[in-house]
Amino acid sequence: EVQLVESGGGLVQPGGSLRLSCAASGFTFSSYDMHWVRQATGKGLEWVSAIGTAGDTYYPGSVKGRFTISRENAKNSLYLQMNSLRAGDTAVYYCARNGRFGEYMDVWGQGTTVTVSS
Amino acid sequence: QSALTQPASVSGSPGQSITISCTGTSSDVGGYNYVSWYQQHPGKAPKLMIYEVSNRPSGVSNRFSGSKSGNTASLTISGLQAEDEADYYCSSYTSSSTLYVVFGGGTKLTVL
Repeated sequence: EVQLVESGGGLVQPGGSLRLSCAASGFTFSSYDMHWVRQATGKGLEWVSAIGTAGDTYYPGSVKGRFTISRENAKNSLYLQMNSLRAGDTAVYYCARNGRFGEYMDVWGQGTTVTVSS
Repeated sequence: QSALTQPASVSGSPGQSITISCTGTSSDVGGYNYVSWYQQHPGKAPKLMIYEVSNRPSGVSNRFSGSKSGNTASLTISGLQAEDEADYYCSSYTSSSTLYVVFGGGTKLTVL
């Protein structure tokens, strides 16, 4: 079964750091681009970052310079290092698999909750 | 403000058809056939319903269909069923220098 399982969420103070993980199973992880997408309570989806199979990375302006996406193919794992966290980063964070050929997200994890508050 | 514009809500009765629009620009929706649609039930992860404008993943009902005209993409759900009540999000690849993927603000579908 193709599956993504996020972990690492929690409560962190403003200015703090957190590292999210996403464990992939049931497919050849190294062959797929991967994404992080977040959703604040009651709000819509917001793309947070992407990483290609070659390790190329992409970020929107809202997190660029603060968040770092990475992958460890040997461990079938995706990561999101989040620094200088703000209240506005509070959300459920999903990891998602990019389609094999094309730009869409065909498999999603269940999400992990990040709360930034003092 | 989301990069793609969707209506906040739509509604329909069981058996009817509804269409949700998703308006972008020539840098995203209008420029590429990389529009996708996601269904999200409360407390659940999003689920891919349509990819590359009009393709359905295996297992998605053929009541769901997608199309595009210019800078506007559309999701049509025919034969509405109670379980279709959910939030729907469109998404597109974008050539914007500060983005790679953009989402719409989401549309709440109510089945009356």
